[in-house]
Amino acid sequence: SQQGEEDPQALSIQEGENATMNCSYKTSINNLQWYRQNSGRGLVHLILIRSNEREKHSGRLRVTLDTSKKSSSLLITASRAADTASYFCASRAAGNKLTFGGGTRVLVKP
Amino acid sequence: SQTIHQWPATLVQPVGSPLSLECTVEGTSNPNLYWYRQAAGRGLQLLFYSVGIGQISSEVPQNLSASRPQDRQFILSSKKLLLSDSGFYLCAWSVPTGGAGETQYFGPGTRLLVL
Repeated sequence: SQQGEEDPQALSIQEGENATMNCSYKTSINNLQWYRQNSGRGLVHLILIRSNEREKHSGRLRVTLDTSKKSSSLLITASRAADTASYFCASRAAGNKLTFGGGTRVLVKP
Repeated sequence: SQTIHQWPATLVQPVGSPLSLECTVEGTSNPNLYWYRQAAGRGLQLLFYSVGIGQISSEVPQNLSASRPQDRQFILSSKKLLLSDSGFYLCAWSVPTGGAGETQYFGPGTRLLVL
């Protein structure tokens, strides 16, 4: 079964606004990763945060990790229409496997 | 640079027919390889992963099988497709660093419709 749960399932915002989505997981992890998927395409890696990190930035993306709550958040600042996509968190416990959440569908309206 | 290819991009198959989806990776050696399935509007379900030639781990019991005949080739197969096999199939690779940071790189996917 999928370890990660994401909320909201869908998010609609105006261009220029910030988008925040959350991810929860169940077991201890080595790292947590966020991916983006445009409709009908493969996933693209966005950012990885390790279990000993609390916050990480990449361009307009900000990821936080709270291992005590087993949760992570992804913030996209100053959103653009091109940010419209589905966003997935994926947690990596021991071993090679990533466990993906159900995703958040983000619609940025121009 | 590394690239990952999947084909075909789209496939429509009748129930009971066989299946073969292929994934190849270029520009890296001894990658870890993965097959995922994604139902419409849902997250990814790991089907198989491989850490080397001939080494396949199955994550869920199902109608599908996987093989890795060459270092950078990963094949997903079925002898008889079911309606429930419809979905979006994604292949991915990662560098087998063995460390905590193991990003996966995805192919463009194959959309399979079983009728």
